[in-house]
Amino acid sequence: AQKVTQAQTEISVVEKEDVTLDCVYETRDTTYYLFWYKQPPSGELVFLIRRNSFDEQNEISGRYSWNFQKSTSSFNFTITASQVVDSAVYFCALSGYGGSQGNLIFGKGTKLSVKP
Amino acid sequence: GAGVSQSPSNKVTEKGKDVELRCDPISGHTALYWYRQRLGQGLEFLIYFQGNSAPDKSGLPSDRFSAERTGESVSTLTIQRTQQEDSAVYLCASRAAFPYEQYFGPGTRLTVT
Repeated sequence: AQKVTQAQTEISVVEKEDVTLDCVYETRDTTYYLFWYKQPPSGELVFLIRRNSFDEQNEISGRYSWNFQKSTSSFNFTITASQVVDSAVYFCALSGYGGSQGNLIFGKGTKLSVKP
Repeated sequence: GAGVSQSPSNKVTEKGKDVELRCDPISGHTALYWYRQRLGQGLEFLIYFQGNSAPDKSGLPSDRFSAERTGESVSTLTIQRTQQEDSAVYLCASRAAFPYEQYFGPGTRLTVT
């Protein structure tokens, strides 16, 4: 069975702190995709990143970075120098691979509050 | 370009009534998904359309739920004889053949009274 676990329900930090959101997944597939989405208070899900299972290179995009470790089935997300605008619920998700990837399996989300 | 759109944005209905929710995917996207998000929860998969293939209905919670899609265009999700536990935000997403990320609409907030 496929499963995504985000153990941190809520995290509160002060602006400019670094914060890491954890994601652990389970799958029997040998190839798969991992995703992170952001859901700000407005409610609309915003795509952040897609990672292929065969590509373990870490990725950095501005203040965002992602650490994918297949050995520990983890795909963690770090925000450096957090800002109030980063306050949102962040979802990690898993899917099959390729054009018929099927649906996303979501974790329950981590609510991040960044205080000024 | 235009994103995924959904209508209505909010729907309040009485228990027992039928409701129809609409999703307009991004033009050219071959795959379309419906998810449900209960208050404070993650997203639950409902149904998935891929081109002309038979839809994957494995996430539909009961036979009161059904969905249709005509070709690669609009989809409608119908909930018959609504119950209070159907209250949730219903999210639609679409995906191109490549790349493989799903893009979500703003959702329809359904309240069953």
